[in-house]
Amino acid sequence: QSALTQPASVSGSPGQSITISCTGTSSDVGGYNYISWYQQHPGKAPKLIISEVSNRPSGVSNRFSGSKSGNTASLTISGLQPEDEANYYCSSYRASSTRGVFGGGTKLTVL
Amino acid sequence: EVQLVQSGAEVRKPGESLKISCKASGYTFTAYWIGWVRQMPGKGLEWMGIIYPGDSATGYSPSFQGQVSISVDRSTSTAYLQWNSLKASDTAMYYCARQDGYAEVDSWGQGTLVTVSS
Repeated sequence: QSALTQPASVSGSPGQSITISCTGTSSDVGGYNYISWYQQHPGKAPKLIISEVSNRPSGVSNRFSGSKSGNTASLTISGLQPEDEANYYCSSYRASSTRGVFGGGTKLTVL
Repeated sequence: EVQLVQSGAEVRKPGESLKISCKASGYTFTAYWIGWVRQMPGKGLEWMGIIYPGDSATGYSPSFQGQVSISVDRSTSTAYLQWNSLKASDTAMYYCARQDGYAEVDSWGQGTLVTVSS
């Protein structure tokens, strides 16, 4: 099962905005609004930051936002802060044995 | 509060068997899928397989089918991931994750590090 495609790395300065893309197919990203994003700091478990394309769970900063167009989903982080430096993974529902697929992950560096 | 608490780190030799656990609390165990996610050193997240504790329905990624086995004990609200014959390439962090059936994970275990080395 092929993973969703994310850029390997992105970077930005404090206060700037960045966007991470997540490209799939009509069988996953393009076919459903079950897109979620996870933040993972080194040595920690992933944390859900966006669900169902653009919903933020309680307690997640409103600097994180999500969107989708066609087969590509996007995570935007505005007002970058040093603590945003982490790995980010997208995920989509796919009608498969595991009911989902992750992206390859994107390392965000805050310069 | 939803919690998934995993068993501790393990060190095994190639060819040995292993079963790691994930104990759930704070919600109705039989109402959500539980999945296992592998993260190899320095790499990304991969679904290995999932199970629905309500009826023990399981699904495995083709990459892991036949290599591992996922089960649950409803009496203790615990999910398990089992290997019959470990390989060095199984060295990784393994997370259990509560999935809603649409790939969204709202709760993760803390991870179990498995090291396979002769």
